[in-house]
Amino acid sequence: EAQVTQNPRYLITVTGKKLTVTCSQNMNHEYMSWYRQDPGLGLRQIYYSMNVEVTDKGDVPEGYKVSRKEKRNFPLILESPSPNQTSLYFCASTNPGQGITEAFFGQGTRLTVV
Amino acid sequence: AQSVSQHNHHVILSEAASLELGCNYSYGGTVNLFWYVQYPGQHLQLLLKYFSGDPLVKGIKGFEAEFIKSKFSFNLRKPSVQWSDTAEYFCAAYNTDKLIFGTGTRLQVFP
Repeated sequence: EAQVTQNPRYLITVTGKKLTVTCSQNMNHEYMSWYRQDPGLGLRQIYYSMNVEVTDKGDVPEGYKVSRKEKRNFPLILESPSPNQTSLYFCASTNPGQGITEAFFGQGTRLTVV
Repeated sequence: AQSVSQHNHHVILSEAASLELGCNYSYGGTVNLFWYVQYPGQHLQLLLKYFSGDPLVKGIKGFEAEFIKSKFSFNLRKPSVQWSDTAEYFCAAYNTDKLIFGTGTRLQVFP
């Protein structure tokens, strides 16, 4: 089954404690992206990756890091989380190189930073 | 800067009413357009997409959208909504290397 898997689904952490949200896709997609969803602001792109070892900043990259060492994985790293990073996070993947197809989304990670 | 605008933030309808949600994009050149739906507590699912060809695109669950290049618009329509259409709807555009979403429209349908 084609899918994007995010873990964990829910996470509560304290300010400053490093965390990683994992994202994995099994569709051999080249393009992967992270978004955060906040009420009234829709989905804002944090980082995206066009392929292995290629990452670029989206619209709201501050406070986040990503890596793309393998095609299937695109973890989101918060080195020193702050309360303003409390949000719902989605990972997505697609394959624009083969003609535009839909983006597949993970189930979401609800992060609370206290 | 590239952007996608959704002007209806919150729409309330009764069942069987007709729906039209606005979406405008600011890209020039070739653009690929999408509408996604997010049911409460769930992730985003694709409703329909436009790449090229017929500007009237039909999607799942009776939804359709019309691409009007001269107006940079891609409005979503449904002739008769159901209570189960209660959800948040996102317009999105892909150009070169970025998939950008609008701020979303929350639709509430009352029986």
